[in-house]
Amino acid sequence: QKEVEQNSGPLSVPEGAIASLNCTYSDRGSQSFFWYRQYSGKSPELIMSIYSNGDKEDGRFTAQLNKASQYVSLLIRDSQPSDSATYLCAVNGNNDMRFGAGTRLTVKP
Amino acid sequence: EPEVTQTPSHQVTQMGQEVILRCVPISNHLYFYWYRQILGQKVEFLVSFYNNEISEKSEIFDDQFSVERPDGSNFTLKIRSTKLEDSAMYFCASSLTSGYSYEQYFGPGTRLTVT
Repeated sequence: QKEVEQNSGPLSVPEGAIASLNCTYSDRGSQSFFWYRQYSGKSPELIMSIYSNGDKEDGRFTAQLNKASQYVSLLIRDSQPSDSATYLCAVNGNNDMRFGAGTRLTVKP
Repeated sequence: EPEVTQTPSHQVTQMGQEVILRCVPISNHLYFYWYRQILGQKVEFLVSFYNNEISEKSEIFDDQFSVERPDGSNFTLKIRSTKLEDSAMYFCASSLTSGYSYEQYFGPGTRLTVT
């Protein structure tokens, strides 16, 4: 069974702080890793992809991947109230992308 | 910016009926997917589709479900003999490629309510 685990939260941070979201996965054959943002009642919106060990930065977002530890993380710098959403970690092995349950993030003004 | 579209946005059906959910993937994308999300639960993979064939399917995607690309633009999910537990959001997604690196883009979803 291919499992993707995330802390459900809620994670609450003050505006301007760094939010740190974590994800672990069980399938060592996984090759592609994604972070999606989902606002309540909306569809998942892709915000980051990462395929190689290390860090990948895109604006205020940094994704980190450690395949040996089967661990993916997302850092959001200078968090804004508009970042308040559920963040979904997704892992793909072979055309069958699996999602974690998501971490609910609240950024307080 | 190109986007995935889905119709209808909300479908209400009676238990035992058949429903067809429709999706128009991004025009130059080659890989298509269906996911579902039961209220309050995680997004679950149903099926992936490429070159008019199913590439992968999950344990959820049993004989009750089928997919089709009836023409050059539409991608459909058919659910036969619907059950109460089929009530969920159904998301279509598409990607340009598959393999090592690709990114899936999701449509707005169809909310299916089975009564």
